[in-house]
Amino acid sequence: GESVGLHLPTLSVQEGDNSIINCAYSNSASDYFIWYKQESGKGPQFIIDIRSNMDKRQGQRVTVLLNKTVKHLSLQIAATQPGDSAVYFCAEGTSYGKLTFGQGTILTVHP
Amino acid sequence: DGGITQSPKYLFRKEGQNVTLSCEQNLNHDAMYWYRQDPGQGLRLIYYSQIVNDFQKGDIAEGYSVSREKKESFPLTVTSAQKNPTAFYLCASSSIRDGGGRTGELFFGEGSRLTVL
Repeated sequence: GESVGLHLPTLSVQEGDNSIINCAYSNSASDYFIWYKQESGKGPQFIIDIRSNMDKRQGQRVTVLLNKTVKHLSLQIAATQPGDSAVYFCAEGTSYGKLTFGQGTILTVHP
Repeated sequence: DGGITQSPKYLFRKEGQNVTLSCEQNLNHDAMYWYRQDPGQGLRLIYYSQIVNDFQKGDIAEGYSVSREKKESFPLTVTSAQKNPTAFYLCASSSIRDGGGRTGELFFGEGSRLTVL
């Protein structure tokens, strides 16, 4: 079946640096992609999404890039803060609301 | 406040017992979902329901059962047939009508951590 996977399971950065979290997906028919942030012991929270007909989307301090040619998705966090430390998941969807999640990347921000 | 409420937050079960996890939402969402999360892993879909009185199996439905008698509620029963039930269980909901909301966004509860003794 389809799968969504991450290149790096852990990422450590210094406060103020930019962070880039990567994700590879295998289902070229996916309609949209979402990034979630999950803090320890809590449910995932929506960060940003992007439709398959877009290449880039920006939010507050975050940017998602989609490269359909190589089936790659990335999340860029600008000026990373300690509060950004969490597990980040990418997810893909082909039918409305049914998502397939990747393994997750642990982001640790050092002050 | 609108949101999703899961209970209990922590639950301990003896082997051979069935347990039911509660999930209630007041977001008026049509679709509800149950995911399982194991340490260091992503979320795997157990069951989902897009309308009252209807639900479908996800990727790992064996050993679980659900019901959707009300739009607001989607309880999950972990049966004794589930061989490795210790995990973090997450309930989510979404609106299946794209009325200007974010594409396919799921709203998650805070989770229920089940431990088998």
